[in-house]
Amino acid sequence: DSGVTQTPKHLITATGQRVTLRCSPRSGDLSVYWYQQSLDQGLQFLIQYYNGEERAKGNILERFSAQQFPDLHSELNLSSLELGDSALYFCASSVEGSGRAGTGELFFGEGSRLTVL
Amino acid sequence: AQSVAQPEDQVNVAEGNPLTVKCTYSVSGNPYLFWYVQYPNRGLQFLLKYITGDNLVKGSYGFEAEFNKSQTSFHLKKPSALVSDSALYFCAVRDMSDYKLSFGAGTTVTVRA
Repeated sequence: DSGVTQTPKHLITATGQRVTLRCSPRSGDLSVYWYQQSLDQGLQFLIQYYNGEERAKGNILERFSAQQFPDLHSELNLSSLELGDSALYFCASSVEGSGRAGTGELFFGEGSRLTVL
Repeated sequence: AQSVAQPEDQVNVAEGNPLTVKCTYSVSGNPYLFWYVQYPNRGLQFLLKYITGDNLVKGSYGFEAEFNKSQTSFHLKKPSALVSDSALYFCAVRDMSDYKLSFGAGTTVTVRA
């Protein structure tokens, strides 16, 4: 168990809909990262938050957005869903900037599998 | 930009034989390199990392990796593979500016009994 919790584990929805994925990082971790894993694109970095602020942006579509709340949990919002958005979405956290020792590994949740029909 | 490449989509070995999963990297500056494993329908599990020091890094489940600066490689190895090692393996490099990891495409390892 990595200590990173993601909900829901599975989600089935229709094209054009909007969904929200939730992530709780490990206790004390300030950084949250979102990744998308699909068969054709592999593991793609979407976005990173650090202590509530956006820190880095990757291949995230404009239809997608994220935020990190004061309690450090994060949400990834996916809107106007398309068939191609079907994927496994991972959240990860790290100790960076938390004052605890660490050398960069990320701790991943079990993922949220999104199926768009 | 930093990147890693995993030249093999699949690696097949017999149980008890040595296992090697290849990774090459491209970075500016000193690399922070990682290996992760993903079992079906699971998240990524950290195996090992190279930050500095000894070129041979030992990790979880009997895995080790050899850092080779001249060849810009960080190959994952296991002296004697188990059927339970069958999984998807990812090599990753850390971005020094924002700490995110960039992953290779992954290598599917199949260990046959």
